[in-house]
Amino acid sequence: EAGVAQSPRYKIIEKRQSVAFWCNPISGHATLYWYQQILGQGPKLLIQFQNNGVVDDSQLPKDRFSAERLKGVDSTLKIQPAKLEDSAVYLCASSLAGTRTTNSYEQYFGPGTRLTVT
Amino acid sequence: AQSVAQPEDQVNVAEGNPLTVKCTYSVSGNPYLFWYVQYPNRGLQFLLKYITGDNLVKGSYGFEAEFNKSQTSFHLKKPSALVSDSALYFCAVRDGSTDSWGKLQFGAGTQVVVTP
Repeated sequence: EAGVAQSPRYKIIEKRQSVAFWCNPISGHATLYWYQQILGQGPKLLIQFQNNGVVDDSQLPKDRFSAERLKGVDSTLKIQPAKLEDSAVYLCASSLAGTRTTNSYEQYFGPGTRLTVT
Repeated sequence: AQSVAQPEDQVNVAEGNPLTVKCTYSVSGNPYLFWYVQYPNRGLQFLLKYITGDNLVKGSYGFEAEFNKSQTSFHLKKPSALVSDSALYFCAVRDGSTDSWGKLQFGAGTQVVVTP
């Protein structure tokens, strides 16, 4: 079974530029997550999709970050304009679907995209 | 609110010795607890989880974890560590009783170094 795919693996941009990351989840996984992992810290959830609807984006900096999941499969995360503090690894994960009040399923992570903003 | 604490930034152990990585949590409802491992330049890999039932959970690669409700802990253990177990380990918790779509909170991670 194929795992979660992400691209690109590495990206270097200058501040104020824009960047986009792509994720293809495991087939059949209705729930998709984007995390930001800053060096030395655990992953922080940015946004969670259930099929193509957003169920949690409380920690997404909406003035510069946006994400979409068209057709409930692939997803794209965009940053525009980037800041120095956005330098991090961006992880995509997927899982089987839970409900509003329970989700006991483990998440499967992609290899991540390492973003460096100079 | 939910939170996770991993009190040790790094754990050093000799190969063949028992390995323990500590984790304590705080949730308002029933905890769903997870352990993940991260190797350099790779995503997180699921090791094991506790949802309900037996307090001792067995997972991948010979790892196990013990859920202790009174101490709000979920320590990861391996009876005999291997050099290949050297990696970054994350504990995570989700509140299984709230209207939150199961948001997962990760700890800061513990670096495990196993020496030959």
